[in-house]
Amino acid sequence: QQQVKQSPQSLIVQKGGISIINCAYENTAFDYFPWYQQFPGKGPALLIAIRPDVSEKKEGRFTISFNKSAKQFSLHIMDSQPGDSATYFCAASLQTGANNLFFGTGTRLTVIP
Amino acid sequence: EAQVTQNPRYLITVTGKKLTVTCSQNMNHEYMSWYRQDPGLGLRQIYYSMNVEVTDKGDVPEGYKVSRKEKRNFPLILESPSPNQTSLYFCASRRGATSTDTQYFGPGTRLTVL
Repeated sequence: QQQVKQSPQSLIVQKGGISIINCAYENTAFDYFPWYQQFPGKGPALLIAIRPDVSEKKEGRFTISFNKSAKQFSLHIMDSQPGDSATYFCAASLQTGANNLFFGTGTRLTVIP
Repeated sequence: EAQVTQNPRYLITVTGKKLTVTCSQNMNHEYMSWYRQDPGLGLRQIYYSMNVEVTDKGDVPEGYKVSRKEKRNFPLILESPSPNQTSLYFCASRRGATSTDTQYFGPGTRLTVL
C-alpha cells in the first residue's frame, strides 16, 4: 500500500514555466515532508523539506506548499530551466521509529528549451 | 568528500547465483539503509541498520540479507537472485534514526537477473 501518492507520473514544461508536482498522504502522524531530486545515473538528493507547522517554504525557485487539513503538499518550480529536468520524489516521515521514511512514486520532469 | 559508494554499478547475473552489492559511507553515520527503485513504484526500503550489528526489515525484505559488521559498510546480499529482483538499488545513510537528518544516497547499482 502506497503511503504517499504522487502525481503526475511525468510532466513536460516549457522553459520559464511553472512546474507543479502534487503529493497526498493518509497518515496524520507524518510530520516531515522532504522532496528529493534525482538526475539520470545518480542517486536521489535532498532538495527541500517542510514541517507541518508551516504552510509554505521557499528556497530559491523551489517552493513547497503544504495543506495539513487536506493532507496534501506540492512542489512548485518557478521559472523552470532545462537543468531542472530530473525525477522528483516526495516523501513523508515519522519522527518515531527507524523505518520511517516513505517515498512517492516519482515524477519525471522534462523542461523544454 | 562526504559520500556513499556502491559497487558494482552495473551487474548482470543469472538466477540462483549468489551476489553481494557493497555499500560504504565515509560520514560516520549510524543509520544506513537499502532501497530498490522500480518504475511506477518509487523507492521502497529493503533493510535498514541503526548501528553496528543492528539491522531490521524494511518494506520489501524478501530474498535479501544484510550485515553491519562495521559502521561504514552495509552490504546487500542476494543468496539466490530471481528475475523479480531485477531493479535499481540504492544504498543510503544518515547521521541517526531521526527522520529530519538528511539522507545521502549512493549512485545506484543496476541489477539484471536473467
